[in-house]
Amino acid sequence: EDQVTQSPEALRLQEGESSSLNCSYTVSGLRGLFWYRQDPGKGPEFLFTLYSAGEEKEKERLKATLTKKESFLHITAPKPEDSATYLCAVRVPSAGGTSYGKLTFGQGTILTVHP
Amino acid sequence: ETGVTQTPRHLVMGMTNKKSLKCEQHLGHNAMYWYKQSAKKPLELMFVYSLEERVENNSVPSRFSPECPNSSHLFLHLHTLQPEDSALYLCASSQEDSGAYNEQFFGPGTRLTVL
Repeated sequence: EDQVTQSPEALRLQEGESSSLNCSYTVSGLRGLFWYRQDPGKGPEFLFTLYSAGEEKEKERLKATLTKKESFLHITAPKPEDSATYLCAVRVPSAGGTSYGKLTFGQGTILTVHP
Repeated sequence: ETGVTQTPRHLVMGMTNKKSLKCEQHLGHNAMYWYKQSAKKPLELMFVYSLEERVENNSVPSRFSPECPNSSHLFLHLHTLQPEDSALYLCASSQEDSGAYNEQFFGPGTRLTVL
């Protein structure tokens, strides 16, 4: 069974205090790993897609990396506006011959950055 | 309108009511999804439509009935719901091309409360 586990469940940082979020996965045939940001009461906002081990992507203070078993979301010098829930999802093969995005999500990490 | 829109944003209904959730995507995508997000639980995939054909139904109770009249619109018809169905219902869309594993874009969600 495909599984995605995110840690920690919650993380409190001071502004400027860098840290990392973890996403561990067990899937059969990874077709991509996705990071999303979700603010309270809103839908998830797409951040990154990683396809193969060793791949890295950056956007402002965020950097995502991927290995064969896990992904990290590194946050450098975070600001209060980075506070949100960060979701990790893996794409697995869809059934039959039809291509569609079958995503399995982790439970998320709630990040709070204090000024 | 841009991106993925959902209406209504909030819905309160009794257990005997019938209501519908609406989703519209303005991205020209060919696949649409319904997810359920409950507190403390990962996003759960409910239904997938690819090229207007339902390709996945994740053991969702029959009191939830999806409809996809065209590639831009998706509905979720609700009837005789239970209080445990209270959750955030998210719609998403993606472009599914052979060999490409693209990200899904989410709408803002409908917060459903069943009394």
